[in-house]
Amino acid sequence: TQLLEQSPQFLSIQEGENLTVYCNSSSVFSSLQWYRQEPGEGPVLLVTVVTGGEVKKLKRLTFQFGDARKDSSLHITAAQTGDTGLYLCAGSLGGGADGLTFGKGTHLIIQP
Amino acid sequence: DTGVSQDPRHKITKRGQNVTFRCDPISEHNRLYWYRQTLGQGPEFLTYFQNEAQLEKSRLLSDRFSAERPKGSFSTLEIQRTEQGDSAMYLCASSLVGSGSPLHFGNGTRLTVT
Repeated sequence: TQLLEQSPQFLSIQEGENLTVYCNSSSVFSSLQWYRQEPGEGPVLLVTVVTGGEVKKLKRLTFQFGDARKDSSLHITAAQTGDTGLYLCAGSLGGGADGLTFGKGTHLIIQP
Repeated sequence: DTGVSQDPRHKITKRGQNVTFRCDPISEHNRLYWYRQTLGQGPEFLTYFQNEAQLEKSRLLSDRFSAERPKGSFSTLEIQRTEQGDSAMYLCASSLVGSGSPLHFGNGTRLTVT
């Protein structure tokens, strides 16, 4: 059983469209992070959300942490070809010093 | 700050051989993590160190895998008697102490076992 479920698994849209991807779990996370990964490279951190209900904006990207801290969403406005990549969410259960648990990611392709 | 570096970037080996990978973390980071990523999947946690102490190992980590961080700086990951199922990208990351501290990843070592 995957601790973090990401949906959709694959998404291909035209440049200029808006999109939302989701990260869901039945567990409560002390914090949740979103990473973007390009082929042949390691993931790069986009944002960390900590407080239930928190919304963070990073240019055209809007991240939301669910009120119960079990889920999160990433919304991209006016997608650009440079947004293409694998978007990963990763959660920390807190308490002990455990490693981050990653979802399988959403493969996003923005077509020109 | 040169980021996390991993060596080699690519490794092709025959089944049954031993391989060793190296990771140099960001110098002021005391936590160092090893993850494995297969095609189309997210990174899977293998193990992590705080300074030189190995604090956690995943149940996924078979006894053919061993990791060290002898002086609390660089780390090595060794795989003995490699199997085709070991083919994957091996990612190293470092962070400061603190649950939920962001991970800074290297670009990984891609292992192919033939």
